[in-house]
Amino acid sequence: AQSVAQPEDQVNVAEGNPLTVKCTYSVSGNPYLFWYVQYPNRGLQFLLKYITGDNLVKGSYGFEAEFNKSQTSFHLKKPSALVSDSALYFCAVRDENAGNMLTFGGGTRLMVKP
Amino acid sequence: EPEVTQTPSHQVTQMGQEVILRCVPISNHLYFYWYRQILGQKVEFLVSFYNNEISEKSEIFDDQFSVERPDGSNFTLKIRSTKLEDSAMYFCASSGGQTELAKNIQYFGAGTRLSVL
Repeated sequence: AQSVAQPEDQVNVAEGNPLTVKCTYSVSGNPYLFWYVQYPNRGLQFLLKYITGDNLVKGSYGFEAEFNKSQTSFHLKKPSALVSDSALYFCAVRDENAGNMLTFGGGTRLMVKP
Repeated sequence: EPEVTQTPSHQVTQMGQEVILRCVPISNHLYFYWYRQILGQKVEFLVSFYNNEISEKSEIFDDQFSVERPDGSNFTLKIRSTKLEDSAMYFCASSGGQTELAKNIQYFGAGTRLSVL
């Protein structure tokens, strides 16, 4: 079975400061990892993915995430937060050997204050 | 930029009624999905559809649910006899282009909020 944990319901940062949104996962095979963002009244918007290759992946809007196999983590980061980054962030995983089903974490609300 | 579109944005129905939620996936995509999110809970996988048949389904996707691709553009989710606990946001997604890597990104619609009274 595959699972995802986002340990923080909410993360608060000041504009201009770096941000980290945490994600850990569990799969039996190799993981395919994704971050999605949800703005109010909008769908899930793809941010970035890790499939293979470099452990540091870069995505939209200046976000990046680091795949750490030994810690089974895929934390989302951004060097300098913007107020407009405030949204709900979801981490998701697919097991390479288990079809196309995505398993999502519970989501982390990011609040960036001016 | 191509996007997945879902209609209606909000559907209100009485318990026991049938509802059909509609989705237009991205045009060259080959894999289609439904997920749901009950208020305050995680996004949960319901079903995936490829080559005109269900390829995976979760335990949630019981006999009350069905999916169909009635023509070349639409992908529908039908709930035959709605229950109060079916109230949720339902997301359609699609994936699959010409490359293996493209297959892996699922693009989501804005969702249909289903309220069962």
